[in-house]
Amino acid sequence: AQSVTQPDIHITVSEGASLELRCNYSYGATPYLFWYVQSPGQGLQLLLKYFSGDTLVQGIKGFEAEFKRSQSSFNLRKPSVHWSDAAEYFCAGFATDSWGKLQFGAGTQVVVTP
Amino acid sequence: EPEVTQTPSHQVTQMGQEVILRCVPISNHLYFYWYRQILGQKVEFLVSFYNNEISEKSEIFDDQFSVERPDGSNFTLKIRSTKLEDSAMYFCASRAGPGEGETQYFGPGTRLLVL
Repeated sequence: AQSVTQPDIHITVSEGASLELRCNYSYGATPYLFWYVQSPGQGLQLLLKYFSGDTLVQGIKGFEAEFKRSQSSFNLRKPSVHWSDAAEYFCAGFATDSWGKLQFGAGTQVVVTP
Repeated sequence: EPEVTQTPSHQVTQMGQEVILRCVPISNHLYFYWYRQILGQKVEFLVSFYNNEISEKSEIFDDQFSVERPDGSNFTLKIRSTKLEDSAMYFCASRAGPGEGETQYFGPGTRLLVL
C-alpha cells in the first residue's frame, strides 16, 4: 500500500543546533514529495517539494531535503535551528499517476530549547 | 501572493445539524481538495475534485459528505448530519495542474466542533 512514514513523533533540539527529520515513502514509482510545516492553530505551509531531477532540494526558511531512492527516504534538514522553527512538520507524497491525493506522515513535533 | 481562503475559521454545531464549509481556491487552479485533521492525528485525505466532478474520495467521504463548486470561485464541503466524530480541522487545498503545478496550497482551515 502507498504510504508515507515519519518515524519520529517528537524531537527536541537546542537553538543553533542542526535538525534532521526523517521521512520514508512506499510507492510503486517515485512519488511527488513535499514537506509542510504547521504552527499551532495554523494551516499547512509548504517548505519544499521534490518532483524529479536534483535530489537535494532547497526550500524556504533555510530548510533543505534530500531524496534518496535507494533508501526510499526524503529527509528534511536545517543546519542551525531558530526558536521560531518550533512547529509540527509533515512529510507528504502522492503518486504521479493519481489525482493528487496527498498522503501524510504522522508528523514530527519539533521543540526548540534555548 | 495568491492564497487559499476558508470560512468560517471556527464553527460549533449540534450533532445532527448540517454544516457547510467554504473555500476559495487560488483563481487559476483546476484541482481542489478537502482534507481533515482530527486533533492529535495525521492529516487525512477526504476528496479530490476536478472538472466539476469528484475524481477520488476516501472511505471517510460517505453519503453524509458532499462537495460543490457552485459559482466558479467557491468550493464547498457539506456535512449533512454531523456526528461527534466529525469534529476536526478541515483543510481545503488547490493546485494548478500537471508539471510544476503539482504543488497543493492549503487554506488556513476551519475548526469544526460538533457537540
